[in-house]
Amino acid sequence: GEDVEQSLFLSVREGDSSVINCTYTDSSSTYLYWYKQEPGAGLQLLTYIFSNMDMKQDQRLTVLLNKKDKHLSLRIADTQTGDSAIYFCAETVVPGGSYIPTFGRGTSLIVHP
Amino acid sequence: GAVVSQHPSRVICKSGTSVKIECRSLDFQATTMFWYRQFPKQSLMLMATSNEGSKATYEQGVEKDKFLINHASLTLSTLTVTSAHPEDSSFYICSATVRDGYTFGSGTRLTVV
Repeated sequence: GEDVEQSLFLSVREGDSSVINCTYTDSSSTYLYWYKQEPGAGLQLLTYIFSNMDMKQDQRLTVLLNKKDKHLSLRIADTQTGDSAIYFCAETVVPGGSYIPTFGRGTSLIVHP
Repeated sequence: GAVVSQHPSRVICKSGTSVKIECRSLDFQATTMFWYRQFPKQSLMLMATSNEGSKATYEQGVEKDKFLINHASLTLSTLTVTSAHPEDSSFYICSATVRDGYTFGSGTRLTVV
């Protein structure tokens, strides 16, 4: 089955880098996503990575995928107070599994000035 | 990018009444929409998959007679919480499939008093 795990909290100082980690169980995961949720709002897609990639960089965001360990991480460089939010990791398994994403419980990122 | 507009953002209703939540795809056609429920500090739990012109597919444990889903057009899906009770108070989010994954509505905070 599909199961996605994340740590619940991360606290960093403004200007530092943040690294949010996620593990998943299905080795046939095809797409892995990172979403950001600000208080009382829906989810905003930040980035995604296809399972045949090891890394993807998009401005301040770097996604690293370790397929052997089924570990996904999101690094936010130069973290700002506006980055404070809940970050969700999600996976989809296609084909052979549900194409509907399975979400982790979310990591609450708190950025201190 | 593709946008899903969700309304209302907040609603307070009396116990026993019904509440309708709308999700509209603004610049694309959404043949499939997903409805999620999110409890505090929890991940998103898929409630049902809504397909245009056909009956919704509900996840196990979700009462289809209580959570009525209608997807009568390619741009509109609605979720009606019937005979709402305080335990139905939650954050409801819709989502639609887009090219790069999924786009989410901004969510509806339902409070039943």
